[in-house]
Amino acid sequence: DSGVTQTPKHLITATGQRVTLRCSPRSGDLSVYWYQQSLDQGLQFLIQYYNGEERAKGNILERFSAQQFPDLHSELNLSSLELGDSALYFCASSEQPWLGNTEAFFGQGTRLTVV
Amino acid sequence: KNEVEQSPQNLTAQEGEFITINCSYSVGISALHWLQQHPGGGIVSLFMLSSGKKKHGRLIATINIQEKHSSLHITASHPRDSAVYICAVIREATGGGADGLTFGKGTHLIIQP
Repeated sequence: DSGVTQTPKHLITATGQRVTLRCSPRSGDLSVYWYQQSLDQGLQFLIQYYNGEERAKGNILERFSAQQFPDLHSELNLSSLELGDSALYFCASSEQPWLGNTEAFFGQGTRLTVV
Repeated sequence: KNEVEQSPQNLTAQEGEFITINCSYSVGISALHWLQQHPGGGIVSLFMLSSGKKKHGRLIATINIQEKHSSLHITASHPRDSAVYICAVIREATGGGADGLTFGKGTHLIIQP
């Protein structure tokens, strides 16, 4: 158990809908990362938050947004969903904001299926 | 061309064999991470390296910064080692020094009893 909790584990929704994925980081970790894993693109970095503020952006679509709350949990909002958004979405957390000198701890992922 | 390349893509071996998985990258990096993903989907961090060699149990990871290459070795392999092994890098810090991981496509390892 990494200590990172993601909910829900599975989500099935229709095209055009909006969903929210939730992540609780390990106790004491201030940094949260969101990653998408799809069959064709593999694992891709979406966005990072550190202590409530956006820190870095990767390949995140404009239809997607995220935030980190004062209690450090984070939510990833996906809107106007398309079939191609079907993927595993991982949250990871770390103590430091920079993965050049610290380890990342991953949640179990949320499997999103858009039908 | 991907910034992070792994080989082999698939590897099947017999229990007890010595396993080597390779990772090459084309960008300057601050660190390299080795991750393990089991069939259930969860990802576990195995190592974070910026130089030299690290060992944890039967796993050994090495990195050669000059050659932009890292290897993950498994000694005395066991069926429970069957998983996807993923190499990921953090590019050299620029500006605020923040970034997410850039991933290889993974090596699918099967260890047969």
